[in-house]
Amino acid sequence: DGGITQSPKYLFRKEGQNVTLSCEQNLNHDAMYWYRQDPGQGLRLIYYSQIVNDFQKGDIAEGYSVSREKKESFPLTVTSAQKNPTAFYLCASKSQGAGYGYTFGSGTRLTVV
Amino acid sequence: GEDVEQSLFLSVREGDSSVINCTYTDSSSTYLYWYKQEPGAGLQLLTYIFSNMDMKQDQRLTVLLNKKDKHLSLRIADTQTGDSAIYFCAETGGGNKLTFGTGTQLKVEL
Repeated sequence: DGGITQSPKYLFRKEGQNVTLSCEQNLNHDAMYWYRQDPGQGLRLIYYSQIVNDFQKGDIAEGYSVSREKKESFPLTVTSAQKNPTAFYLCASKSQGAGYGYTFGSGTRLTVV
Repeated sequence: GEDVEQSLFLSVREGDSSVINCTYTDSSSTYLYWYKQEPGAGLQLLTYIFSNMDMKQDQRLTVLLNKKDKHLSLRIADTQTGDSAIYFCAETGGGNKLTFGTGTQLKVEL
């Protein structure tokens, strides 16, 4: 079955550490997205990529980095520069063309300890 | 920029209808979507409506769009406890990005 896989489901980070969240899709979708979800704030766009080897900053990119070396993969690194990283992170992908909604992964909950 | 607003909470009794409302600001939106999120999970696409439509019905779900007022609603008929979740509306502004609302937490009481 096609879908998006995020791993790990839970991740704990110490202060000052970088951590990388994995997102893999086998839907042959061109566009991929990373969102951060905090209670009562909905989803905020961190980074997105519409094609391999290209990506753009979203609304809250500071303290995060991404890469898009393969169509199937769009990993997100939460760097030590992100001062409040505790949140639920969602990855999504979308086929090109209007009318197609996003397909979401099941999310990674990141906690700073 | 685009802005999408929803009320944060809605409580209904099992068997009643639920109506979740959403307002948006981007008049160029071509598609509007409703997503459902259960606890600790990703978002699941429920339904969508094209901007030249007024209404779309899909089993227990009815979507109404008032493009003049930039108002979108989702009606769930015969609401069940399994419908308890957070519901997000989203709109396509320019480009290939979705802008999401803050989400409405629906609680279904027995």
